[in-house]
Amino acid sequence: ILNVEQSPQSLHVQEGDSTNFTCSFPSSNFYALHWYRWETAKSPEALFVMTLNGDEKKKGRISATLNTKEGYSYLYIKGSQPEDSATYLCAFSRDDKIIFGKGTRLHILP
Amino acid sequence: DTGVSQNPRHKITKRGQNVTFRCDPISEHNRLYWYRQTLGQGPEFLTYFQNEAQLEKSRLLSDRFSAERPKGSFSTLEIQRTEQGDSAMYLCASSLGVAARTDTQYFGPGTRLTVL
Repeated sequence: ILNVEQSPQSLHVQEGDSTNFTCSFPSSNFYALHWYRWETAKSPEALFVMTLNGDEKKKGRISATLNTKEGYSYLYIKGSQPEDSATYLCAFSRDDKIIFGKGTRLHILP
Repeated sequence: DTGVSQNPRHKITKRGQNVTFRCDPISEHNRLYWYRQTLGQGPEFLTYFQNEAQLEKSRLLSDRFSAERPKGSFSTLEIQRTEQGDSAMYLCASSLGVAARTDTQYFGPGTRLTVL
């Protein structure tokens, strides 16, 4: 993998259900992995910066894990709420900048 | 400080016209980044500044694009002779610049450019 790949591209989840999605990135020369949430008409909002293999971070109902050896990260959302509807972007650090994936578009169904 | 701001939020222009966007970063942030985002894609890196110095430009940034950060505070991105392919969301972000690879980048709301 040369760049960031996110799956699925789009996801519909019933309100109250839990969900997760994947970010794959180059495992060589790893420095950091970033997760952002981007709601329509708003600024992308930083969720997590993860640097160590095995890192787990949590913010409310959202959590993320990191495996730098195999080059993947999972984002979990527990008990989805309508306000979770957004695009979730993953990015890895390369040189002095970050390279984004295409995002996972999450739709929460009432 | 209320975060990163960008102006204008929306810009509609005719092909061949010049446009300029402005970004005001968080005041104590040394690094400032410009990205472009098109439908179905994530933000793509265009260029970044450390204080007033422009340190890197992407190959996406053709000769028609120029960015400045004259006093190490706000930045402008100018597109000359706009083309329909320039239609996109232009995002600005800033960071402390202490540890570039792990610093959180804080984004503005973007400028949506439509070239007719």
